Amino acid sequence: DVKVTQSSRYLVKRTGEKVFLECVQDMDHENMFWYRQDPGLGLRLIYFSYDVKMKEKGDIPEGYSVSREKKERFSLILESASTNQTSMYLCASRAPRVFGELFFGEGSRLTVL
Amino acid sequence: AQKITQTQPGMFVQEKEAVTLDCTYDTSDPSYGLFWYKQPSSGEMIFLIYQGSYDQQNATEGRYSLNFQKARKSANLVISASQLGDSAMYFCAMRGMYSGGGADGLTFGKGTHLIIQP
Repeated sequence: DVKVTQSSRYLVKRTGEKVFLECVQDMDHENMFWYRQDPGLGLRLIYFSYDVKMKEKGDIPEGYSVSREKKERFSLILESASTNQTSMYLCASRAPRVFGELFFGEGSRLTVL
Repeated sequence: AQKITQTQPGMFVQEKEAVTLDCTYDTSDPSYGLFWYKQPSSGEMIFLIYQGSYDQQNATEGRYSLNFQKARKSANLVISASQLGDSAMYFCAMRGMYSGGGADGLTFGKGTHLIIQP
């Protein structure tokens, strides 16, 4: 089975802190994604990557950056956390088919105080 | 651009009844894929079922089936014989061949919160 692992299930940070959310997948998938989930808004794409060192902005990239130094690992970085970044963050990788499904991690619930 | 609309924010259903969760979509892509995911309170998104736009038959996976009506641009999820463990958020999603939600990612609807009552 595909496994996508997110490093932290729950985090509490203070405004202005730098936050790292890490994601690792074990199926050699090329495409990886970071989504943000908020009640009533569904999932919104922050950033995605289709290869090592490659990244593209999604729909809501402001305030975020990403890093993909190894194929299996995709990190989301909040350079200076703000309260409006309190949310659930979901990492996913995509199966290598034309319409492959996304495999998700368990999510990281971030609270910024 | 693509759009997914789920018009039912929440639903209450009696255990063992069948459930239909509505999903309509909009895309200009001639070829696309439709997906349903389940998200229990634990938070993990679980893939349930997939339907390709050129598939001749409606997709089925165990108790899940997808009622695909291409002309109406609808892709409703049907859960037969509902169980208490079906209580969760359900998301409809899609990807077009040429305009996916970010390099082969998915565009999601806002979800339906399904509660199964004993």
